[in-house]
Amino acid sequence: AQSVTQLDSHVSVSEGTPVLLRCNYSSSYSPSLFWYVQHPNKGLQLLLKYTSAATLVKGINGFEAEFKKSETSFHLTKPSAHMSDAAEYFCVVRISSNTGKLIFGQGTTLQVKP
Amino acid sequence: NAGVTQTPKFQVLKTGQSMTLQCAQDMNHEYMSWYRQDPGMGLRLIHYSVGAGITDQGEVPNGYNVSRSTTEDFPLRLLSAAPSQTSVYFCASSLRGRGSNTDTQYFGPGTRLTVL
Repeated sequence: AQSVTQLDSHVSVSEGTPVLLRCNYSSSYSPSLFWYVQHPNKGLQLLLKYTSAATLVKGINGFEAEFKKSETSFHLTKPSAHMSDAAEYFCVVRISSNTGKLIFGQGTTLQVKP
Repeated sequence: NAGVTQTPKFQVLKTGQSMTLQCAQDMNHEYMSWYRQDPGMGLRLIHYSVGAGITDQGEVPNGYNVSRSTTEDFPLRLLSAAPSQTSVYFCASSLRGRGSNTDTQYFGPGTRLTVL
């Protein structure tokens, strides 16, 4: 069965320091993985997606994620945090090529301190 | 394109009342779905549709009905609202459901529902 676990419910960083949001997945076949961001009282926006073309995926706003099959991980990183990055982040796995169904992690709240 | 639109943005119901949450997309997407978001639980799939006339249950379907008479619209019905259905509801769509792992799902802005 497919599942996704976000290892931290809350991450706090200072502005200008690196960001690391951790995600592990479980999938019985080659997964499609996504990171979405949700700003307060807003909908979800796609940051980036892994579709087996390249293990290092670059997304919007300077974020990137690396797919590591051996570690079943898809951690999200950014070299330098900005105040506007404060939001909730969801790691998502697509569980079926026939139905498009997604499974969401529990979410990680990123706090950025000035 | 307006993308994925949802109405209403906010709704308060009393226990036992019924209502329909509206979702529409203008991108000619085949796949549409409904999620609910609760604190600490991420988003959970309620129902989904891979095309007009085809719907199926997701992870948490109880208490909800859906239909898909057109490609554009995918309403979610609560027949008898319960306090446990207090949540934020998101509709999403993507170009294809079948045979594609890579399609991005686009989300609407959400409906915040409170059941008293």
